[in-house]
Amino acid sequence: GENVEQHPSTLSVQEGDSAVIKCTYSDSASNYFPWYKQELGKRPQLIIDIRSNVGEKKDQRIAVTLNKTAKHFSLHITETQPEDSAVYFCAAKRGSGYALNFGKGTSLLVTP
Amino acid sequence: NAGVTQTPKFQVLKTGQSMTLQCAQDMNHNSMYWYRQDPGMGLRLIYYSASEGTTDKGEVPNGYNVSRLNKREFSLRLESAAPSQTSVYFCASSPGTGGNQPQHFGDGTRLSIL
Repeated sequence: GENVEQHPSTLSVQEGDSAVIKCTYSDSASNYFPWYKQELGKRPQLIIDIRSNVGEKKDQRIAVTLNKTAKHFSLHITETQPEDSAVYFCAAKRGSGYALNFGKGTSLLVTP
Repeated sequence: NAGVTQTPKFQVLKTGQSMTLQCAQDMNHNSMYWYRQDPGMGLRLIYYSASEGTTDKGEVPNGYNVSRLNKREFSLRLESAAPSQTSVYFCASSPGTGGNQPQHFGDGTRLSIL
């Protein structure tokens, strides 16, 4: 089955700096890659997603890049703010079936 | 719209007791999912339902059963609870049936089994 590895597990940056989280996947037929943000004690919420026919997608301070050849995708947050502090999860949908496989999460801390 | 509603929010059970976690969505979504979230393990899929009347096992289905009662409701049952099932359980739904659309999550049920 699909195996999604996420790095780093924890990340600390200063306010205003950029943060990058990377994920790799194993199924070359995977075609959908969402990113979720989860604040402490809250539900996961989608922040951005990308499909396999697109190499990059941007939404204000957040961008995601996909390298299908290398089977990895990354989340980029620019001009970080304290409210960006949360756990971020990447996920990949296998080429067959309906399920998403999630990475184990990255705990991001943005210090003022 | 309430989105995805889970009940109860918290529950404490004794080993061997049974319990049903309820989930309902009002977005007319086709697919619904049950996940468990444990510290350091991310979200692991227990069961999913691509459409009304169908259910499929996910990564960690042992010890659980599900029922897709209608398009809105998808329940998760623990027949004989075990301490290893202590976790936070999330229900989610998505519009399509192919799995490649955003999933919307409920607030979760925090379940402790003693």
